[in-house]
Amino acid sequence: IAGITQAPTSQILAAGRRMTLRCTQDMRHNAMYWYRQDLGLGLRLIHYSNTAGTTGKGEVPDGYSVSRANTDDFPLTLASAVPSQTSVYFCASSDPLGGLDTQYFGPGTRLTVL
Amino acid sequence: GQNIDQPTEMTATEGAIVQINCTYQTSGFNGLFWYQQHAGEAPTFLSYNVLDGLEEKGRFSSFLSRSKGYSYLLLKELQMKDSASYLCAVTDSNYQLIWGAGTKLIIKP
Repeated sequence: IAGITQAPTSQILAAGRRMTLRCTQDMRHNAMYWYRQDLGLGLRLIHYSNTAGTTGKGEVPDGYSVSRANTDDFPLTLASAVPSQTSVYFCASSDPLGGLDTQYFGPGTRLTVL
Repeated sequence: GQNIDQPTEMTATEGAIVQINCTYQTSGFNGLFWYQQHAGEAPTFLSYNVLDGLEEKGRFSSFLSRSKGYSYLLLKELQMKDSASYLCAVTDSNYQLIWGAGTKLIIKP
């Protein structure tokens, strides 16, 4: 693994189903983030984690949950998917204590909820 | 509220120069980032400004004026591969990144 990976690459999901998007980084970054990106809108923060064991809510947290059991993994769960959650989801990580707090992004997951 | 404004779309010619503007209104300021995002791909870091002035990195330069809440990204000697969206993002007083919607740059031969 090099950098940050996400799985699956894309998914079509029926409304009401539960879905977990996976994110793994091998850069030992303390901070991790989940964003959604919709056409015409900027990246919107769903949840974040400043360090393993802690999580926080972003701008659009409703309908999503996260966990951060260790430094490397930061899964995002949709408990009961709805069509408005159709979007491209990006996971990112950064190292705030390492100087410049640049965020590095995974390749994204394209999710369609029907 | 917090707000980042960028033009939605710009068109430029290969070999030319283009300036992409970004204005921001945020609760506090702890730095401004520019990212590049090719269609269907993830954003990648381009530049960072925290002090007023110009930061130059090869064909790309970024300028910041904190008093005006204004930044621009300057791309010189445009190449076809520069066709992408350019995202402006500001770190606010809580060290959260606030993102603009991005500027889609179209390069024509």
